[in-house]
Amino acid sequence: NAGVMQNPRHLVRRRGQEARLRCSPMKGHSHVYWYRQLPEEGLKFMVYLQKENIIDESGMPKERFSAEFPKEGPSILRIQQVVRGDSAAYFCASSQLSGGSSGANVLTFGAGSRLTVL
Amino acid sequence: AQKITQTQPGMFVQEKEAVTLDCTYDTSDPSYGLFWYKQPSSGEMIFLIYQGSYDQQNATEGRYSLNFQKARKSANLVISASQLGDSAMYFCAMRVMGAQKLVFGQGTRLTINP
Repeated sequence: NAGVMQNPRHLVRRRGQEARLRCSPMKGHSHVYWYRQLPEEGLKFMVYLQKENIIDESGMPKERFSAEFPKEGPSILRIQQVVRGDSAAYFCASSQLSGGSSGANVLTFGAGSRLTVL
Repeated sequence: AQKITQTQPGMFVQEKEAVTLDCTYDTSDPSYGLFWYKQPSSGEMIFLIYQGSYDQQNATEGRYSLNFQKARKSANLVISASQLGDSAMYFCAMRVMGAQKLVFGQGTRLTINP
């Protein structure tokens, strides 16, 4: 019963390159969330997706960042033309229910993908 | 808007002692949930305990308990009989009913000394 799987665990990119982070939710979970954690800080919400739909992207930077959760396959967080400020840990979480449907709906997090931009 | 405040950047505790990690929150919504997560040095986020705003009793999960004081808007995590493996970052988080996102505090780094 695998948990939330994220890959790659570590990714190094040069400025201007693209970064693609993948997330496979827990079996039976159809709600996916992406969070970003800067060094020594808490996690900040980026985007919430269900299959084939972006439900809430209020935490996503307006440019260069995009996310998808296709009908088949993992969710993808894509960062185009990376800059040094994008260096962070990116966490994916999944849940069985919609986040706001029940206060007790616990998010299960993956181990994170650590992006380093040189 | 919701806000979580963790005022202890770091704490050092002797093994086997109990430790309390502080968390205060701010929301005008009457219905919300409070969560604690542990992040060891390996980086993953591990769910520890949950408290609902309407729960009458404080939540407990093994050695973890949540000291919920609604009037003070505090949700402190208590770890009893601390172990070396408890050394980690601890994050308090909140979500109001109907909202999708968890709002996290800055975290407290707990170090357990042998």
